[in-house]
Amino acid sequence: EIVMTQSPATLSVSPGESATLSCRASQSVSSNLAWYQQKPGQAPRLLIYGASTRATGIPARFSGSGSGTECTLTISSLQSEDFAVYYCQQYSNWPPTFGQGTKVEI
Amino acid sequence: EVQLVESGGGLVQPGGSLRLSCAASGFTVSSNYMSWVRQAPGKGLEWVSVIYSGGSTYYADSVRGRFTISRDNSQNTLYLQMSSLRAEDTAVYYCARTLYSGTYYFDYWGQGTLVTVSS
Repeated sequence: EIVMTQSPATLSVSPGESATLSCRASQSVSSNLAWYQQKPGQAPRLLIYGASTRATGIPARFSGSGSGTECTLTISSLQSEDFAVYYCQQYSNWPPTFGQGTKVEI
Repeated sequence: EVQLVESGGGLVQPGGSLRLSCAASGFTVSSNYMSWVRQAPGKGLEWVSVIYSGGSTYYADSVRGRFTISRDNSQNTLYLQMSSLRAEDTAVYYCARTLYSGTYYFDYWGQGTLVTVSS
């Protein structure tokens, strides 16, 4: 199965700053890459699919880029509600697999 | 509005069984792919099982032969029958509407139900 590795494990930023989260796949996933946001005690929420397409209702400050084995989620001008754990997930090969998460904290 | 509400979690002894339910509203379960995804305490996410709109079912290696996914079209509800439960099955179990492109990703999730396997 494809192993997804996210970095960094924790990212400390201040409100209004930008955050860049990385996701590396053990083999190419093309653009079959999704990003999710999870807040404590809540279910994950789909942010990005197709590596760069925002899901319905997701603010434009969230952007995804990359393909192949390297993808990036950028959050510009962080808001207080953006502090959460972010997971990448590949859906190129079976089984679908997730990264271990990046925690974005103040 | 799409909503998914899981129920049926609880404490069960190793080797025991449990059935999880996921009641859907705002869309038709039988017209969609539906999955179960779990998250062990303090850990990441793991896909568990999927049922296609046509009824085909698939499982992660870790649960194949022990878990069964199904649905009741009249109730618009998804199920996960879990048997021969192990400590490592302890997790919050989420149902999720599933999109297919290559394999699966998930656009709507329920709030989850906690399964604890312990003696």
